[in-house]
Amino acid sequence: DAGVTQSPTHLIKTRGQQVTLRCSPISGHKSVSWYQQVLGQGPQFIFQYYEKEERGRGNFPDRFSARQFPNYSSELNVNALLLGDSALYLCASSLELAPYEQYFGPGTRLTVT
Amino acid sequence: AQSVTQPDIHITVSEGASLELRCNYSYGATPYLFWYVQSPGQGLQLLLKYFSGDTLVQGIKGFEAEFKRSQSSFNLRKPSVHWSDAAEYFCAVVGRGSQGNLIFGKGTKLSVKP
Repeated sequence: DAGVTQSPTHLIKTRGQQVTLRCSPISGHKSVSWYQQVLGQGPQFIFQYYEKEERGRGNFPDRFSARQFPNYSSELNVNALLLGDSALYLCASSLELAPYEQYFGPGTRLTVT
Repeated sequence: AQSVTQPDIHITVSEGASLELRCNYSYGATPYLFWYVQSPGQGLQLLLKYFSGDTLVQGIKGFEAEFKRSQSSFNLRKPSVHWSDAAEYFCAVVGRGSQGNLIFGKGTKLSVKP
């Protein structure tokens, strides 16, 4: 079975631009979460979606938004990019909400110049 | 607030030696606990998890972890390290009653000497 897939793999953007990252969960998984991992740190929670509804939001500015589609795939949008948004963005899927374990995709490396 | 502490930023062990990576959590009740491994430039792979029951849990790649409530710890162990185990290891917690978001420690980078 295919794991969690993310696109694109790498992305270079300029400050002030907008970016959309995409995630396809493992087949049958209904929950998708997004995490930001800055170099040298552990991942930080951004959003969790379940059955197309937002179920959790981390401490990130309103420039970050997300949505989940009827097929459970998800998009993360970041507006007005800052240099500090440069990071590895990880998507994770789980069968249901807690306590089910989350499975991570390979991530999208975003570089903001 | 829930938190996870991994006291060791970087550990170096010789191939074949035993390994223990430390993890302490802060939470009022028994949390759900996880260990993930991340190879350079890659996503995270789940090694093992603890939800309830037997406090010694077995995972993939020969890893095990022991939940100790009295010490608020969930240390990861492996009896004999292989060169391919060199990676970064993250301990994570999900608070009971939350929707399931993971709180990660800052990670421990493992280097393996030949």
